[in-house]
Amino acid sequence: IVLTQSPATLSLSPGERATLSCRASQSVSRYLAWYQQKPGQAPRLLINDASNRATGIPARFSGSGSGTDFTLTISSLEPEDFAVYYCLQRSTWYTFGQGTRLEIK
Amino acid sequence: QVHLQESGPGLVKPSETLSLTCTVSNDSISDYYWNWIRQPPGEGLEWIGYIHYSGNTNYNPSLQSRVTISADTSKNQFSLKLRSVTAADTAVYYCARDRDPDAWTGYYYGMDVWGQGTTVTVSS
Repeated sequence: IVLTQSPATLSLSPGERATLSCRASQSVSRYLAWYQQKPGQAPRLLINDASNRATGIPARFSGSGSGTDFTLTISSLEPEDFAVYYCLQRSTWYTFGQGTRLEIK
Repeated sequence: QVHLQESGPGLVKPSETLSLTCTVSNDSISDYYWNWIRQPPGEGLEWIGYIHYSGNTNYNPSLQSRVTISADTSKNQFSLKLRSVTAADTAVYYCARDRDPDAWTGYYYGMDVWGQGTTVTVSS
């Protein structure tokens, strides 16, 4: 299963809304998670089961979708949110999307 | 709180075998799926494979011919061996925990605990 993330890079300002997309080449049901990665750090789990925030994740992060189309939304960007975001599916083996870089405009 | 720590040589010669160990603290490896993931410099994440607490393993088809993942329950560790390495295997290697979706609800928890990662360079 191939996961395609878009856009590759998203340039926004603090306070703006970010919408990141992850599309699967075939249905992964809800077996999808979202991760945030900052330079020099391991990925951090944000969203599991496609739409549930992991423990300790702020409410400005939300996930939606099922099947083949998924979205990660950050409602109002904080300075610490600028990072790379990956989606992960485990419906068939595991695959990661190629990532979306969220940069400060 | 569960803690994962990768360890192993930071430099491996081409054609040799890369060997890494992940030590699990405050949890038992006799549960869950235990994964290896890697990230080449400036690139994205690639799943390498896992070992299940039952002993079953699964590997990325692109690496399957060169990979072995094993576990030592007495030491609460699991290990990665990648044979015949080349410069393309230079990466940060992470270990991470996953579990089966909930049997009743199908809820998928995600790879929720990760090690900090260890950098492996393949060079002569």
